[in-house]
Amino acid sequence: DQQVKQNSPSLSVQEGRISILNCDYTNSMFDYFLWYKKYPAEGPTFLISISSIKDKNEDGRFTVFLNKSAKHLSLHIVPSQPGDSAVYFCAASGGNFGNEKLTFGTGTRLTIIP
Amino acid sequence: DTEVTQTPKHLVMGMTNKKSLKCEQHMGHRAMYWYKQKAKKPPELMFVYSYEKLSINESVPSRFSPECPNSSLLNLHLHALQPEDSALYLCASSQWTSGRVSNEQFFGPGTRLTVL
Repeated sequence: DQQVKQNSPSLSVQEGRISILNCDYTNSMFDYFLWYKKYPAEGPTFLISISSIKDKNEDGRFTVFLNKSAKHLSLHIVPSQPGDSAVYFCAASGGNFGNEKLTFGTGTRLTIIP
Repeated sequence: DTEVTQTPKHLVMGMTNKKSLKCEQHMGHRAMYWYKQKAKKPPELMFVYSYEKLSINESVPSRFSPECPNSSLLNLHLHALQPEDSALYLCASSQWTSGRVSNEQFFGPGTRLTVL
């Protein structure tokens, strides 16, 4: 049972444009959400997070939006740069295991076209 | 020091071998994690240690044996593995603040394990 889903396995975006990555979840106990970026042969790198008490969090070029009623979050990257090409995972925590357990989505491979 | 280090980077082992993976962090984090990641799949949690005590075991087979000898070190002992255990093994850590573990986990680069 995949509790965190990223329905787009891949996404290509022109350099300078906006990249929008989407994530859906099913477990209403999740109360904290994170985005990680992963390059090949490296571990995931934390990008940005949001608590369920907020609907938006911004950090430089990265903004995460949370729609609790739809159980949906999205990551916006503006403007997109070639170095943003990577696999992006959304992750969620909360529920019975509290903050200790992160449940990851399946990932979206973002390719920025120069 | 703001990183999690893992050794070795690559490991090839036979099904009868015993080997260990090592993870180290010097950020003062008191929660440490082992994840397994297969190709084109998300990381899957295996074990969590909080304050050097095992707090979560995600029903991992006993051929994987974790150990947390001190607050900076986390080991994963491997014995009698199967070829399907070949994967990237990731270590992560996070801090405790105000009596709660932080959601933000910092990952190491992983150990690429191949079981022949």
